[in-house]
Amino acid sequence: DQQVKQNSPSLSVQEGRISILNCDYTNSMFDYFLWYKKYPAEGPTFLISISSIKDKNEDGRFTVFLNKSAKHLSLHIVPSQPGDSAVYFCAASAKGGSEKLVFGKGTKLTVNP
Amino acid sequence: KAGVTQTPRYLIKTRGQQVTLSCSPISGHRSVSWYQQTPGQGLQFLFEYFSETQRNKGNFPGRFSGRQFSNSRSEMNVSTLELGDSALYLCASSLRAGFGNEQFFGPGTRLTVL
Repeated sequence: DQQVKQNSPSLSVQEGRISILNCDYTNSMFDYFLWYKKYPAEGPTFLISISSIKDKNEDGRFTVFLNKSAKHLSLHIVPSQPGDSAVYFCAASAKGGSEKLVFGKGTKLTVNP
Repeated sequence: KAGVTQTPRYLIKTRGQQVTLSCSPISGHRSVSWYQQTPGQGLQFLFEYFSETQRNKGNFPGRFSGRQFSNSRSEMNVSTLELGDSALYLCASSLRAGFGNEQFFGPGTRLTVL
């Protein structure tokens, strides 16, 4: 039973364009969401998070949108850069982030120069 | 400031053996979490320790265990290894308990079970 789903295993975009990575969840108890980026042979790196009391959080080129009614969140990267090429994981937690993290299986983003 | 370190980086074991992995968190961080990453299942949470106490546990069999020492260093043990335990094991540390604050990951230990 996969509670956090990233339905696109891969995504390819041109440099300078927008990258949109999607994530769906099924557990209505989740109220805290995070995105991580992972390069090969390295551990994941935290990117951005959002609490369910918000519907948008922005940090530089990265924006996360949360649609609670659809149980859907998305990560927008604008503009995309070749260095953004990595695997992106969506994760969710309940009780404001105090419960264990549940991860999606990741989306491999390739940004072409 | 040194990052999260994990030892060893690579490990090869045979079925039935046991293994202990080590994680040293960033200085000052008191929370350590462990994750398993496999191609089929992605990243899965194993457990979280804070101040030597296990706060959260994932859905793994009892063969997987862990502990945290007073200096916040943590170890993870897997007994009676199975082929399916082959994975990248990641450790992450953070200042406080829970996942509402930023976690910093180590590079992982690649375990191969033959």
